Amino acid sequence: AQSVTQLGSHVSVSEGALVLLRCNYSSSVPPYLFWYVQYPNQGLQLLLKYTTGATLVKGINGFEAEFKKSETSFHLTKPSAHMSDAAEYFCAVSERDYKLSFGAGTTVTVRA
Amino acid sequence: KAGVTQTPRYLIKTRGQQVTLSCSPISGHRSVSWYQQTPGQGLQFLFEYFSETQRNKGNFPGRFSGRQFSNSRSEMNVSTLELGDSALYLCASSLFSNEQFFGPGTRLTVL
Repeated sequence: AQSVTQLGSHVSVSEGALVLLRCNYSSSVPPYLFWYVQYPNQGLQLLLKYTTGATLVKGINGFEAEFKKSETSFHLTKPSAHMSDAAEYFCAVSERDYKLSFGAGTTVTVRA
Repeated sequence: KAGVTQTPRYLIKTRGQQVTLSCSPISGHRSVSWYQQTPGQGLQFLFEYFSETQRNKGNFPGRFSGRQFSNSRSEMNVSTLELGDSALYLCASSLFSNEQFFGPGTRLTVL
């Protein structure tokens, strides 16, 4: 069975600063890994995904994440935070089926 | 291409009632999954349908059920509503297992 741990339920960054959201996973098979973003009163939007191949994946809105198998991690970064990045972020894992297991989420606030 | 649509967007019910939520997937997508999102339990997988068959099911009581029609539209039903069923119910559609597209959700409030 798969599971996800997101370190830190809240992260506060200054505008222009680095955003780093941590995600560790467990999976009994090579996983698919995802980061989703959720704005208030909306559904989930896919930021990026890792399936196979290159371990550094780039997503929308300047985000990227690196799959590190040895550390079972898939941390999300953005070099320079923008006010529009304020949202809740979810890391998710699937064992190559259609079932996603999500972390508890990290709420990002951006200070002007 | 239109995204995933869910109806209704908001719903208020009382304990003991039943409710049906609807999801229309992206055209061509045959897999539809349902998730429940609550502040306490987070995002939890309910079930997944493909070509009118339930292929995967999460750990929810039998009061939660679903179905999928031949046009891939899906409904989920919750019977004998409890206060704890208040949640955002999200539907997602997929063409392949490596990507799911989510709808805006249905906010269910049980009074």
